[in-house]
Amino acid sequence: EIVLAQSPGTLSLSPGEGATLSCRASESVRADSVAWYQQKPGQAPRLLIYGTLNRDTGIPDRFSGSGSGTDFTLIISRLEPEDFAVYYCQHYGGSHLTFGQGTRLEIK
Amino acid sequence: QEQLVQSGAEVRKPGASIKVSCQASGYSFLGYYMHWVRQAPGQGLEWLGRIDPKNGDTKSAQKFQGRVTLTTDASFSTAYMELSSLRSDDTAVYFCARGVLLLGSFAFDTWGQGALVSVSS
Repeated sequence: EIVLAQSPGTLSLSPGEGATLSCRASESVRADSVAWYQQKPGQAPRLLIYGTLNRDTGIPDRFSGSGSGTDFTLIISRLEPEDFAVYYCQHYGGSHLTFGQGTRLEIK
Repeated sequence: QEQLVQSGAEVRKPGASIKVSCQASGYSFLGYYMHWVRQAPGQGLEWLGRIDPKNGDTKSAQKFQGRVTLTTDASFSTAYMELSSLRSDDTAVYFCARGVLLLGSFAFDTWGQGALVSVSS
């Protein structure tokens, strides 16, 4: 079973700054199997990025994804107040699916 | 547009079972796998399993095998997740989510609102 480790656990930044969130897989995975979600309190997760680098419909271009092999990154440039939330990476291997433990992005 | 509407909050005693429903609308129910994900209070997301509504084929996470049953009723465009032998650490919000292939890549593009299941004696 592939394990995803996200870092940092918590990231404290100010609006306007950039954020870099990391997701490391325990073994190499296909780029088309990695997605990122945003979750706000009391809400279901929302799809941001699929296939490592593709933004879902309506996701602002300040969100971007990259990576390959075991290391994947979500970058949020120019943080807006509504971006402060918890972010999860996800891997789907066809018969098994795992999430990272999440990165909490909080206002400094 | 595509929507998943789940049943409401429930309370159960340890050892009991729970069945959560998820009604789909706005898309072809048979065309997409339905997945189930849970989130314990203050914790992260955990995948329970998925079902193909076309043929009832299921796959579940090893941790839940033998305890989770996934079914569908296509006539009502509804998926069900039943979890048995409940324990206090099964207290969580249970989400259904539609699995899609976007440009050949897998993702959950539509989620239910979640159903809180509380297990307490």
